[in-house]
Amino acid sequence: QKEVEQNSGPLSVPEGAIASLNCTYSDRGSQSFFWYRQYSGKSPELIMSIYSNGDKEDGRFTAQLNKASQYVSLLIRDSQPSDSATYLCAHPGNTPLVFGKGTRLSVIA
Amino acid sequence: EADIYQTPRYLVIGTGKKITLECSQTMGHDKMYWYQQDPGMELHLIHYSYGVNSTEKGDLSSESTVSRIRTEHFPLTLESARPSHTSQYLCASTTGGQNEQFFGPGTRLTVL
Repeated sequence: QKEVEQNSGPLSVPEGAIASLNCTYSDRGSQSFFWYRQYSGKSPELIMSIYSNGDKEDGRFTAQLNKASQYVSLLIRDSQPSDSATYLCAHPGNTPLVFGKGTRLSVIA
Repeated sequence: EADIYQTPRYLVIGTGKKITLECSQTMGHDKMYWYQQDPGMELHLIHYSYGVNSTEKGDLSSESTVSRIRTEHFPLTLESARPSHTSQYLCASTTGGQNEQFFGPGTRLTVL
């Protein structure tokens, strides 16, 4: 079973701080990872894709992939209350996507 | 960005009724999916399709059925709705190259 593990949280951070969300996976063959943001009652929204080892930055978001450690993370700088949501990581496996259960982030104003 | 449409967005229906949830996408994606998600809970894959006339069951057993007669259309049908079917149903499709998956807005189903 190709699994993706996430801490369910909730992760609480003060406004303006860095939020760090983590994900580990079991499939050593995974080549790409995706981070989704899901607001309560809404559908998941793709916010970051990462296809190679290292860091990828997009605005306040940085995705980090470490294939040797089978670890992928999402950093959110200058966290805002509007970032409060559940964050899901996923990888293609052999498709369909394998999703983690999600980490609930709460940014406190 | 993919354009995926789901109708209806909200549906309240009585037990025993037959319902069809519609999903369509305009991007020509071959791969399409149906997920079921209860509030605050994880996504569960219930059906997927890799192309016309191809359908597979997902990880979560479901009493629903799907069809894929046209690339852009992937409807889900419940022959006899029950209160246990109350949930949010999310449709998604995937780009061919990088497998980026995009979700529709969802249908919130309530069976009384």
